[in-house]
Amino acid sequence: GQNIDQPTEMTATEGAIVQINCTYQTSGFNGLFWYQQHAGEAPTFLSYNVLDGLEEKGRFSSFLSRSKGYSYLLLKELQMKDSASYLCAVSNTGGFKTIFGAGTRLFVKA
Amino acid sequence: DSGVTQTPKHLITATGQRVTLRCSPRSGDLSVYWYQQSLDQGLQFLIQYYNGEERAKGNILERFSAQQFPDLHSELNLSSLELGDSALYFCASSAVSGTGNEQFFGPGTRLTVL
Repeated sequence: GQNIDQPTEMTATEGAIVQINCTYQTSGFNGLFWYQQHAGEAPTFLSYNVLDGLEEKGRFSSFLSRSKGYSYLLLKELQMKDSASYLCAVSNTGGFKTIFGAGTRLFVKA
Repeated sequence: DSGVTQTPKHLITATGQRVTLRCSPRSGDLSVYWYQQSLDQGLQFLIQYYNGEERAKGNILERFSAQQFPDLHSELNLSSLELGDSALYFCASSAVSGTGNEQFFGPGTRLTVL
């Protein structure tokens, strides 16, 4: 089966750096996604990792270790608008099914 | 704007009723996914279609069914509705199936069952 774990909530300060962790167990692996979702809105794509290592995209970076079943999303220079839920999602072999974690709700305070 | 459209935006109905949710994918996308998101819960994968064919099924109830039409739009049918079916239903599309392509999500349909 598939299982994805991420913290329920995190709080960080504007301008700081925050790391959101995700661990997963999956039967077959075809990549890991991070999405951002503001309350009541649709998720939007942030990053995709299929090989081990760090992918950097502006203020956001995502890391993957396939052997450890572990990923993290790093957000730098936090802004108030970064307050949202961050969803870790794993695509299984063949990519036919993408399973989402419950999401980490990030609160950015002034 | 992701390019994925969903109608209606809001739907209020009674228990026991049947509703149809509609999704039009981004131009050129062949894959359509349906998700259910209950209050304060994660996205639950329901079903995926690729170019008209069912490709993957999640924990979709037997009361729910879906299809993808030749013009690639998709419909999710929910029948014998229960209070617990109240949720946001998202449709997403991607260019192909079986790869790491990102999914683009529509704005969702908020279903309220009274």
